[in-house]
Amino acid sequence: NAGVTQTPKFQVLKTGQSMTLQCAQDMNHEYMSWYRQDPGMGLRLIHYSVGAGITDQGEVPNGYNVSRSTTEDFPLRLLSAAPSQTSVYFCASSYRDAAYEQYFGPGTRLTVT
Amino acid sequence: SQQGEEDPQALSIQEGENATMNCSYKTSINNLQWYRQNSGRGLVHLILIRSNEREKHSGRLRVTLDTSKKSSSLLITASRAADTASYFCATDARGYGQNFVFGPGTRLSVLP
Repeated sequence: NAGVTQTPKFQVLKTGQSMTLQCAQDMNHEYMSWYRQDPGMGLRLIHYSVGAGITDQGEVPNGYNVSRSTTEDFPLRLLSAAPSQTSVYFCASSYRDAAYEQYFGPGTRLTVT
Repeated sequence: SQQGEEDPQALSIQEGENATMNCSYKTSINNLQWYRQNSGRGLVHLILIRSNEREKHSGRLRVTLDTSKKSSSLLITASRAADTASYFCATDARGYGQNFVFGPGTRLSVLP
C-alpha cells in the first residue's frame, strides 16, 4: 500500500493564481481531511470528508474548496492564492472518523509571493 | 482558542533520560491521540487512548488520561536521539463535529 500520497511536494504561486493540491489514499478509508501547518504551530483543519460526496468545513476553510467524488481522492483547491496561504499542507485519512488513528501524507510546501 | 495545549512548548534532555509531555484540553472527548512529527515530515500516529481508559503503554511510550482534569501525559522512557521530534496531542472534541483538534505541540530535543 502507498498509504496517503500528496502532490506536488513543493509549489510556488503568485498572488491571485489558483491551483489544486492532490491527495489520494489506497486504504479504503472513509474519512479524509486537509490541514495546514504554519511555523511553530499545530495543525489547523481546513476541510474534511466523511465519505464520497460528503464534505464539511473545518476551522479555517476560507479561500479553499474541496470535493470528494471518489473514496480515494480528496483534492484541495486554492481559488485565488494569497500570501497568508503560505504554509505546509497535509492530507490525512482514517478508517471512519476521529475515533480512529489518522494516516498523514508527506505534505505540500506552498509559497505564495 | 486551542482545544488542546501541550506543555512544555520545548524540552531538551540527555539520551537515556525520560521525557514527559502534557496535554490539556477544554471540552469533553471520546478519545485522545498522540502523534510525532519529525522535521519537515508528516505526522505519525503513536497511541490512542479512549475516554474510559486511564493508561496505555506501547513500547517505551506510556500515556495517561485524567478526564476529571481534562489532561493527558506522554512519557517516553530511556529516550534516544531518534526521539527528537515534535509531539502533538489531538482530540475528537465533542462539539467540533467529526474531526480532530491538534494542540501546538512540544518540541523534544534528545541530546547524545
